[in-house]
Amino acid sequence: EPEVTQTPSHQVTQMGQEVILRCVPISNHLYFYWYRQILGQKVEFLVSFYNNEISEKSEIFDDQFSVERPDGSNFTLKIRSTKLEDSAMYFCASQGRGGLNSPLHFGNGTRLTVT
Amino acid sequence: QKEVEQNSGPLSVPEGAIASLNCTYSDRGSQSFFWYRQYSGKSPELIMFIYSNGDKEDGRFTAQLNKASQYVSLLIRDSQPSDSATYLCAVNPFGSNAGNMLTFGGGTRLMVKP
Repeated sequence: EPEVTQTPSHQVTQMGQEVILRCVPISNHLYFYWYRQILGQKVEFLVSFYNNEISEKSEIFDDQFSVERPDGSNFTLKIRSTKLEDSAMYFCASQGRGGLNSPLHFGNGTRLTVT
Repeated sequence: QKEVEQNSGPLSVPEGAIASLNCTYSDRGSQSFFWYRQYSGKSPELIMFIYSNGDKEDGRFTAQLNKASQYVSLLIRDSQPSDSATYLCAVNPFGSNAGNMLTFGGGTRLMVKP
């Protein structure tokens, strides 16, 4: 069964540094997402991406964050000037042609630790 | 503020019993509802989705939706120790113009004891 793959599985960075989290969505999917989960807390929506542009973003997704689909297969989340509170699991998800209410398929996540 | 509420648990049931997980949501216009299972340190894994009032069955799992009461539940029949996990309720709020900007509940931790 096709999978959403994320790399790296764990990223450690120092406060103030930039990180890029990478995702390869399922190949024929159209909608792409980033969610995050701070340890012990709820899964939170960050951003959705469709037709090469952001379609929705949450209050969390401020100017520190950006997304890109540089080559038609990868989908990246860039976090500039990381802060301690950015430490979380970041999940990429994709959604296919089954309609806007069809289920999301999540990747295994990248655990980001900011020290 | 759109909210999805779940009892954090833990809900402890013996092996073979029925586990009943509940979720309430605040946005009356919500259109679609999802149950995900999450093992510790892992990503959410889709169990079921439901869009219409009533019951939807898939194997040992039954999702129930009552939009008037803004309530969705998940029943797990013949619970197995491998079902032990955190179950996340997720709701797609009305008005999102593309895709699933899901609002998740905090999850209910289920423990199935052999």
